[in-house]
Amino acid sequence: NAGVTQTPKFRILKIGQSMTLQCTQDMNHNYMYWYRQDPGMGLKLIYYSVGAGITDKGEVPNGYNVSRSTTEDFPLRLELAAPSQTSVYFCASSYQSGGAQYFGPGTRLTVL
Amino acid sequence: KQEVTQIPAALSVPEGENLVLNCSFTDSAIYNLQWFRQDPGKGLTSLLLIQSSQREQTSGRLNASLDKSSGRSTLYIAASQPGDSATYLCAVRRSNDYKLSFGAGTTVTVRA
Repeated sequence: NAGVTQTPKFRILKIGQSMTLQCTQDMNHNYMYWYRQDPGMGLKLIYYSVGAGITDKGEVPNGYNVSRSTTEDFPLRLELAAPSQTSVYFCASSYQSGGAQYFGPGTRLTVL
Repeated sequence: KQEVTQIPAALSVPEGENLVLNCSFTDSAIYNLQWFRQDPGKGLTSLLLIQSSQREQTSGRLNASLDKSSGRSTLYIAASQPGDSATYLCAVRRSNDYKLSFGAGTTVTVRA
């Protein structure tokens, strides 16, 4: 199993541009999550999904959107990128709502 | 709101010494607590998951304890090795929430 995969690994955006961060898991997990990690800080939840077609906001959803059309994929969309969105983005999944979360390798995004 | 604190932020020990990493949280109504390891530029690797009903979990040289009433968890790593050098994060899931609340991590350096 590849586990949780994320693309791209790195990206530089200009202010106002948009992009989609891809996340795929092959563990048949129902629960998926998007976090961001800023330097010296803990991870903060952006959005999560409890199954295909169901998504909900986390702590810091402003400026982001998600969709979940399949069990495997959970893309994160950034509209009108801002410097405050410069961060490392991690996707995670879990089999059960209270189960261990498994993380992807991350996407390092810089907005200039 | 759940606040998770990890002190110290950084730790340097000689090879062979036992490591003791601390995690404290403010809301004792937790569902579980998870310890992760993060290598520079990489994603998070799950080390141990402790359910709220458990007092400790063990995996090889790693042992994690949980004291819900005092809002503390401790990760012990026996006989440290240079390969244990990484940042260790703890994360707490509250009983009525899907999200994990993360500490900022303790960066460990094991000197050969």
